[in-house]
Amino acid sequence: DSGVTQTPKHLITATGQRVTLRCSPRSGDLSVYWYQQSLDQGLQFLIQYYNGEERAKGNILERFSAQQFPDLHSELNLSSLELGDSALYFCASSVGGNDYGYTFGSGTRLTVV
Amino acid sequence: DQQVKQNSPSLSVQEGRISILNCDYTNSMFDYFLWYKKYPAEGPTFLISISSIKDKNEDGRFTVFLNKSAKHLSLHIVPSQPGDSAVYFCAAPPKRGNQFYFGTGTSLTVIP
Repeated sequence: DSGVTQTPKHLITATGQRVTLRCSPRSGDLSVYWYQQSLDQGLQFLIQYYNGEERAKGNILERFSAQQFPDLHSELNLSSLELGDSALYFCASSVGGNDYGYTFGSGTRLTVV
Repeated sequence: DQQVKQNSPSLSVQEGRISILNCDYTNSMFDYFLWYKKYPAEGPTFLISISSIKDKNEDGRFTVFLNKSAKHLSLHIVPSQPGDSAVYFCAAPPKRGNQFYFGTGTSLTVIP
């Protein structure tokens, strides 16, 4: 157990739907990162939050949004889902806003049918 | 644009032998590199890193070599063990920021 908790572990949904992925960071960590891993691809950075504020944005689609709550957990919202959104979504956390010392969760596998 | 590339999707090695995993990068501004290991149904875990001021970093059975002129790094595992069977990702942060660029991974199988 890495200390980073992601729920749910698996999610199957239909095209056009909206889903929410949840991440609880490791205790004491203020930064949360979201990454997407599509089939045969490396992890692609989506977005980072630090202590409730958006810190950095990667190649995140406009249909996707995220937030970090006062208790530091984060949610990634994916809407108008397409087949190509099927992927593993990883959350990671770190103590600071500029750390290289990430701890990853075990991911949420999203399947869009 | 894939700034970090791992051109070998898979590698099989006999137990006890050396495993060499390779990674190339295109951005000469990268100055820090990391290797992550990932088992099925788990998230990536940090393995070893190297700063561009070094050309080698060793941690037990794991050694990372960096060749800046060739924009190439490699991870050596000696001796390889069956428990090393996993997917290995190399990653690099940009000059400013800590959002990593990841390679596509190499799946290592160590045969007992």
